[in-house]
Amino acid sequence: ELKVEQNPLFLSMQEGKNYTIYCNYSTTSDRLYWYRQDPGKSLESLFVLLSNGAVKQEGRLMASLDTKARLSTLHITAAVHDLSATYFCAVDIVDAGGTSYGKLTFGQGTILTVHP
Amino acid sequence: DTEVTQTPKHLVMGMTNKKSLKCEQHMGHRAMYWYKQKAKKPPELMFVYSYEKLSINESVPSRFSPECPNSSLLNLHLHALQPEDSALYLCASSLRTSGSWSYEQYFGPGTRLTVT
Repeated sequence: ELKVEQNPLFLSMQEGKNYTIYCNYSTTSDRLYWYRQDPGKSLESLFVLLSNGAVKQEGRLMASLDTKARLSTLHITAAVHDLSATYFCAVDIVDAGGTSYGKLTFGQGTILTVHP
Repeated sequence: DTEVTQTPKHLVMGMTNKKSLKCEQHMGHRAMYWYKQKAKKPPELMFVYSYEKLSINESVPSRFSPECPNSSLLNLHLHALQPEDSALYLCASSLRTSGSWSYEQYFGPGTRLTVT
């Protein structure tokens, strides 16, 4: 059974500071997604990482994927209040032949609060 | 247009009621999904439809009955639910499910269900 673990689960940051959220997963996959969820809202796709070494950046967020270490990171640079939300990573299970079936397994989520 | 719509936004039902949730997308996606999300938890996959056929059922109780009448529409029929079924029900769609590529899932706004 695939396990996806995020840490930290709670992150309180000061504006202007940098921090990294980690996402570890337990089985081979090179397909990982990051989503953002505001309270009471749906999930917004942030990044799609589909190969070892993939790095993507959007504004103050940068995500990377190391499939050998089974690790993805979401790095926050110079945090601002608008980034306060819950962030989920999700891993797409692939079979031995490399076929995906759309079966996403989510991490527990990291609740990020950015304060002045 | 990357929009998935869901109705109703909120639903309160008794344990003896029968109700349905509706999800629609017009992006030409051939894969559609139902997820359940409890408060402060990650989404959990319930069902996957691929080309209007049920491809994954994650051992969901029979009081939840999915239906995919056409490629744009996904329903979730509810009957004899329990209070613990109260949750946010999210619909998602993607271009396809299976293959050597992984397809990004786009989420709808969700239906907040309360079972009394």
